[in-house]
Amino acid sequence: QQQVKQSPQSLIVQKGGISIINCAYENTAFDYFPWYQQFPGKGPALLIAIRPDVSEKKEGRFTISFNKSAKQFSLHIMDSQPGDSATYFCAASITGNQFYFGTGTSLTVIP
Amino acid sequence: DAGITQSPRYKITETGRQVTLMCHQTWSHSYMFWYRQDLGHGLRLIYYSAAADITDKGEVPDGYVVSRSKTENFPLTLESATRSQTSVYFCASRSGVGTEAFFGQGTRLTVV
Repeated sequence: QQQVKQSPQSLIVQKGGISIINCAYENTAFDYFPWYQQFPGKGPALLIAIRPDVSEKKEGRFTISFNKSAKQFSLHIMDSQPGDSATYFCAASITGNQFYFGTGTSLTVIP
Repeated sequence: DAGITQSPRYKITETGRQVTLMCHQTWSHSYMFWYRQDLGHGLRLIYYSAAADITDKGEVPDGYVVSRSKTENFPLTLESATRSQTSVYFCASRSGVGTEAFFGQGTRLTVV
C-alpha cells in the first residue's frame, strides 16, 4: 500500500513556466513533509520541507502548499529553469521514524 | 571527507551469489536506512536502524540482511541474489533528533 501518492509521473514545462507536483497521504500522524530533488546519477537531496502547522512555505522559487484537511501537499516551482530538470520526490514521516516516499516525478524544463 | 559514502558504485553479480553493499557515514547519525529505487516505485525502504545493534524491517525486506555493529557502518547483504533485485540502492542517514535524511550516491546493482 502506497503511503504517499504522487502525480504526475512526468512533467514537461517551458522555461519560465510554473511546475506543479502533487502528493496525497492518508496517515494523519505524519508530521513532516519534505521534498527531495534528484539529478541523474546522484542521491536525492532535500529541497524544501514543511510541517502541518503551516499552510505554505517558500524558499526562493520553490513553494510548498499544504492542505491538512484534504491531506494533500504540493510543490510549486516558479520561473522554472532548465537546471531544475530532475526527478522530484515527496515524502512523509512521523518525527523519529522512517520516511515514506512518493513514486517520483520526472521534470523536464524546455529552454 | 565528511558525509555518507556507498561502495561499490556499480556491481554486476550472478544469480544465486551473495553480495554486500557497503554504507559508511561520518556524522555519527543515529538512524540509517537502505532504500531501493525502481522506475514506477520510487524509493522503497528495505531496512532501517535506529542505533548500533538495532535494526528493523521496512517495506521490502525479503531477500536482504543487514547488520550494524558500529554506528557509522550499515552494510546490506543479498544472501542469494535474484534478477528482481536488480536496482539502484541508496543508503541514507539522519540524526536522532533531526529531520533531514542525507543520501549516499547510490549503488547500481545488476543481477544476471
